[in-house]
Amino acid sequence: QVQLVQSGAEVKKPGASVQVSCKASGYTFTGHYMHWVRQAPGQGLEWMGWINPNSGDKNYAQKFQGRVTVTRDTSINTAYMELTRLRSDDTAVYYCAREKVGATTGVFDYWGQGILVTVSS
Amino acid sequence: IQLTQSPSSLSASVGDRVTITCRASQGISSYLAWYQQKPGKAPKLLIYAASTLQSGVPSRFSGSGSGTDFTLTISSLQPEDFATYYCQQLNDYRYTFGQGTKLEIK
Repeated sequence: QVQLVQSGAEVKKPGASVQVSCKASGYTFTGHYMHWVRQAPGQGLEWMGWINPNSGDKNYAQKFQGRVTVTRDTSINTAYMELTRLRSDDTAVYYCAREKVGATTGVFDYWGQGILVTVSS
Repeated sequence: IQLTQSPSSLSASVGDRVTITCRASQGISSYLAWYQQKPGKAPKLLIYAASTLQSGVPSRFSGSGSGTDFTLTISSLQPEDFATYYCQQLNDYRYTFGQGTKLEIK
């Protein structure tokens, strides 16, 4: 069965960077784009970016341009998201989400369990 | 593209028919998805292309609409349906979400 397993919770200081991972199993990793979505406490969902695990092509939301980098390691079926220059308002749960094939782009059919990143001095 | 959901919260009883609305700030054809999220859990895809039911989702969920106005309908609420629902536009790469509708037990 399809699973996206994310790394554990992180606590970071303002100005630091965080890298979260998302290990995929149960399907062909290179066959589906992987997206990153975050959710601040008690708030809604915010799309951050995607990567094509096959080609390495990526695209980011304008809001995060220059601070976010999404990468992948196809040898271990894992995607990564790094966010730099962290601020307190980056405190959120960060999800990886697989894009559904056969639908329009941006439909997320499987999600990781989410990882809480807390930014606090 | 901004998405506005209404209502923001809703109280209903088991067995009720419930409708949630999502309005887009500009036309998005049928490029809309709906998700359900329970506390502490990841969102779950319910519907995409405005009205296509995701595999495994109960048929009591349905979606309709095109252009700027969309609805998610639950025909007969079950206890497990109490959650927050989000619409998402797929028309442009920003993939923005609505602010959510919290469905609570009356």
